[in-house]
Amino acid sequence: AQSVTQPDIHITVSEGASLELRCNYSYGATPYLFWYVQSPGQGLQLLLKYFSGDTLVQGIKGFEAEFKRSQSSFNLRKPSVHWSDAAEYFCAVGPYNQGGKLIFGQGTELSVKP
Amino acid sequence: DAGVTQSPTHLIKTRGQQVTLRCSPKSGHDTVSWYQQALGQGPQFIFQYYEEEERQRGNFPDRFSGHQFPNYSSELNVNALLLGDSALYLCASSLITSGRTDEQFFGPGTRLTVL
Repeated sequence: AQSVTQPDIHITVSEGASLELRCNYSYGATPYLFWYVQSPGQGLQLLLKYFSGDTLVQGIKGFEAEFKRSQSSFNLRKPSVHWSDAAEYFCAVGPYNQGGKLIFGQGTELSVKP
Repeated sequence: DAGVTQSPTHLIKTRGQQVTLRCSPKSGHDTVSWYQQALGQGPQFIFQYYEEEERQRGNFPDRFSGHQFPNYSSELNVNALLLGDSALYLCASSLITSGRTDEQFFGPGTRLTVL
């Protein structure tokens, strides 16, 4: 079955601390992986994406993610969190060659302490 | 570039009614996908339209139907509304190049409340 698991429903970090959000996927074909961010009442904004090449990908707002095929993981990281990073983060997987049905995880809500 | 736009922003309906949501894709995009996001959940794929035809469909009943117009805009129709249809409905647009869909750009969504 195709699925995305984000084990952490809610994470709180202090401003300036590092962040890692976990994502594990199950997908039959070669996955096209994404991280999106959603602020309250807003749509989804793409942070970064990965299909092939260097397994460490850089995104917007200082985020990066590392693809580990052996662990079926695509964890999102940021070295120093800012208060404006507080939001809901979604990991998603989709097909590369057949169109855009994306499968999303349940999301991780990030709170930032001053 | 206006990006993906959706209307209306909010909508309140009662059980059994029908609703139509609208989406205009990002300039240059030819494909529209619709997702349902229930409170506290990730978005779930409803269907995708390309060249005015339904290209892919998720696990949603036939009460959910759609349409794509020649200008690539799209409508999502839901008949016989149920309380469980209350959700944020997201539209995403993309461009299919050589059969491959690149990243999807999402609109702000329409918040549907069914009473």
